[in-house]
Amino acid sequence: GQNIDQPTEMTATEGAIVQINCTYQTSGFNGLFWYQQHAGEAPTFLSYNVLDGLEEKGRFSSFLSRSKGYSYLLLKELQMKDSASYLCAVRSSNTGKLIFGQGTTLQVKP
Amino acid sequence: SQTIHQWPATLVQPVGSPLSLECTVEGTSNPNLYWYRQAAGRGLQLLFYSVGIGQISSEVPQNLSASRPQDRQFILSSKKLLLSDSGFYLCAWSPAGTNPYEQYFGPGTRLTVT
Repeated sequence: GQNIDQPTEMTATEGAIVQINCTYQTSGFNGLFWYQQHAGEAPTFLSYNVLDGLEEKGRFSSFLSRSKGYSYLLLKELQMKDSASYLCAVRSSNTGKLIFGQGTTLQVKP
Repeated sequence: SQTIHQWPATLVQPVGSPLSLECTVEGTSNPNLYWYRQAAGRGLQLLFYSVGIGQISSEVPQNLSASRPQDRQFILSSKKLLLSDSGFYLCAWSPAGTNPYEQYFGPGTRLTVT
């Protein structure tokens, strides 16, 4: 089967670091993607991992362990505008389609 | 650069009425195109995807249909809307091919069926 799990909600403080975890089980794997979605808006692409390890993009980093079916998104120096839902998605190598998790709603507090 | 458009932005329709949502992509050729639905507080559900003109794959049985009359145009339709069709409809595109290209989303259409 195919399954992607993320925490439903997280809260963090402005200026802090937060890690959003994602575990997955899919039939074939061809990349893991992270998207940011502000309330009422479309998702915007943040990062993707194909190989194991850490990908860094400014304040955002994403990590992948294919053997563990695990990824995390790390947000540093949190800003109020980072309050949003963060969607983990896995691309199936069998179908080529993206399978999305339910998303993690992050609230950044002053 | 590539851009993706969707319209209308919001729509309120009565149960049993027809639906037509349109999506167009600019600045690329032969894109893969996708229709997703996001119900309130839920994840993205893939409805249809297309790898070329006239080629549509349906992901879930429902009263919706999709068409791709032109290379960069993707239309979502229904003959009779249900209350359960309410949601946020998102069109997305990705470059053609099997590499793990990311998908880029349009601004979405918020549909309320009353």
